[in-house]
Amino acid sequence: ELKVEQNPLFLSMQEGKNYTIYCNYSTTSDRLYWYRQDPGKSLESLFVLLSNGAVKQEGRLMASLDTKARLSTLHITAAVHDLSATYFCAVDIPSYTYAGGTSYGKLTFGQGTILTVHP
Amino acid sequence: DSGVTQTPKHLITATGQRVTLRCSPRSGDLSVYWYQQSLDQGLQFLIQYYNGEERAKGNILERFSAQQFPDLHSELNLSSLELGDSALYFCASSELAGRYTDTQYFGPGTRLTVL
Repeated sequence: ELKVEQNPLFLSMQEGKNYTIYCNYSTTSDRLYWYRQDPGKSLESLFVLLSNGAVKQEGRLMASLDTKARLSTLHITAAVHDLSATYFCAVDIPSYTYAGGTSYGKLTFGQGTILTVHP
Repeated sequence: DSGVTQTPKHLITATGQRVTLRCSPRSGDLSVYWYQQSLDQGLQFLIQYYNGEERAKGNILERFSAQQFPDLHSELNLSSLELGDSALYFCASSELAGRYTDTQYFGPGTRLTVL
């Protein structure tokens, strides 16, 4: 059974500081997603990482994937209050095999990291 | 706004009852996914449909069932409800069945409270 573990689960940061959220998973996969969730809201897609060594950046967030280590990181640079939210990683593995190929989409999520950025 | 709609937003019901949650995917998306989010279980995959066919199942209880209709909207039916079924239920959609790892776009969710 695939297990996805994030750490830390709670992160209190000062504005302007840097930090990294880690996502470890237990089964071979080269497809990993990062999502953001604001309190009481839905999930917003941040990054899609599709291969070993993939790196994506958007604003103050940068995500990377090391499939050999089964590890993804979400790095926060110079945090600002607007980044306060819960961040989830999710691993995608094959869910269905048919004559034409393999289907994906059965995401397994980590526990989430609650990030609070304060002055 | 992801383009995925879910109704109702909130649902309060009693134990033993049955409810139906509805989801309309983004225009053009053929795949629909259902997830449950609760404090003790986190975010869990329930079931996936692609163009009307069931494609994958997660830890979905036998009391729960789903279907995707010809117009691609989907319904999640929850019956013999228990207190522990109280949760936020999300629907997500994607263009394909994840074959090319397209992003899943999540709806606003339905908050179910079982009293």
